[in-house]
Amino acid sequence: DIQMTQSPSSLSASLGDRVTITCRASQDIGNYLTWFQQKPGKSPRRMIYGATNLAAGVPSRFSGSRSGSDYSLTISSLESEDVADYHCLQSIQYPHTFGSGTKLEIK
Amino acid sequence: QVQLQQSGAELVKPGSSVKISCKASGYTFTSYDMHWIKQQPGNGLEWIGWIYPGNGNTKYNQKFNGKATLTADKSSSTAYMQLSSLTSEDSAVYFCARERFAYWGQGTLVTVSS
Repeated sequence: DIQMTQSPSSLSASLGDRVTITCRASQDIGNYLTWFQQKPGKSPRRMIYGATNLAAGVPSRFSGSRSGSDYSLTISSLESEDVADYHCLQSIQYPHTFGSGTKLEIK
Repeated sequence: QVQLQQSGAELVKPGSSVKISCKASGYTFTSYDMHWIKQQPGNGLEWIGWIYPGNGNTKYNQKFNGKATLTADKSSSTAYMQLSSLTSEDSAVYFCARERFAYWGQGTLVTVSS
């Protein structure tokens, strides 16, 4: 199975900060990488698909990028509503596998 | 608008089975895969498998072979997941999500307890 190593596991940042979360794939996954935001008690929400494509309705402060086997989700200027868990998913190979998640909080 | 409405929370006994549903609306049910995902309390997400309602084809995470069975009823646009031989390790929230994960159900909490 492809391992998705997500870091950090938790992150505390100030409002307005630039925040980056990373997933490293154990094998080549091309751009088959999706980022999700999940707020407490809610379903995951797709934020980025195809590694770099912003999903419909997602604020432009969110972006996705790739450098080799490292995939990043960046929030350019942190807002209070961004407090959530974030997950990555590879969908190139079965079984699809998620990262272990990042808990983002406001400092 | 696309909606996935899941069935309500279940409290079930160890060793029993449970069948949860995901009713789709707002799109052609038979044209898109339906995925199922598990989330244990405080844990990350785990992909269980998918079903293509158009022809009933399925693909499972080997870890869930024998545990989860995915079916779909075209007449009611509803996908189902049956979980068998339940143990405490099966206590979790289970989500359905349409192909490409743009749309998710609200989740179904399954609690396995005697």
